[in-house]
Amino acid sequence: AQTIHQWPVAEIKAVGSPLSLGCTIKGKSSPNLYWYWQATGGTLQQLFYSITVGQVESVVQLNLSASRPKDDQFILSTEKLLLSHSGFYLCAWSLTAGGVEQYFGPGTRLTVL
Amino acid sequence: GEQVEQLPSILRVQEGSSASINCSYEDSASNYFPWYKQEPGENPKLIIDIRSNMERKQIQELIVLLDKKAKRFSLHITDTQPGDSAMYFCAASGATGGNNKLTFGQGTVLSVIP
Repeated sequence: AQTIHQWPVAEIKAVGSPLSLGCTIKGKSSPNLYWYWQATGGTLQQLFYSITVGQVESVVQLNLSASRPKDDQFILSTEKLLLSHSGFYLCAWSLTAGGVEQYFGPGTRLTVL
Repeated sequence: GEQVEQLPSILRVQEGSSASINCSYEDSASNYFPWYKQEPGENPKLIIDIRSNMERKQIQELIVLLDKKAKRFSLHITDTQPGDSAMYFCAASGATGGNNKLTFGQGTVLSVIP
């Protein structure tokens, strides 16, 4: 069975500091991977997607970047956090593109002070 | 890009009654419509979905209806229980260029009153 793990579970960071969030999926080879962001009490917004190692596409510009260094790993990062980066970051996976099910990881709660 | 409207934003129902959430979308190319349930502090969980080649789908107490002409879809929870209380999101997707992008509605907070 596939498992998706995100780290850290939660972070409290200062404005202007760097950030790195990770996502690992086990049990599926070559999944499509996605990063979503959710403001507290708000809806989910897709940030990035990746269909293969080394290839990441940006969907919205939020002064964040993403990378896929391994088939099962997806990293979200920034060199300088903004207050507006606070929220819930969710990694998701699907088998292939084309309107198929997406499953979310447990998420990382980020608070920027 | 796609936009999804979801109503109501807040829904309170009596235990045992039905709850209905309605969504509309704009892009006629969207072909996949999932529903997610999110409990406080948790990740969204896929509870039911429907594809554009269907008009109705039921899983136990969950019913999803899709009207492609009107670009509307809806979730109906029959015989609601307190455990159904949560945030519910509808979404629409039509893969473009390899991105299975889900566009979400604004969410509905469902409260089931015992």
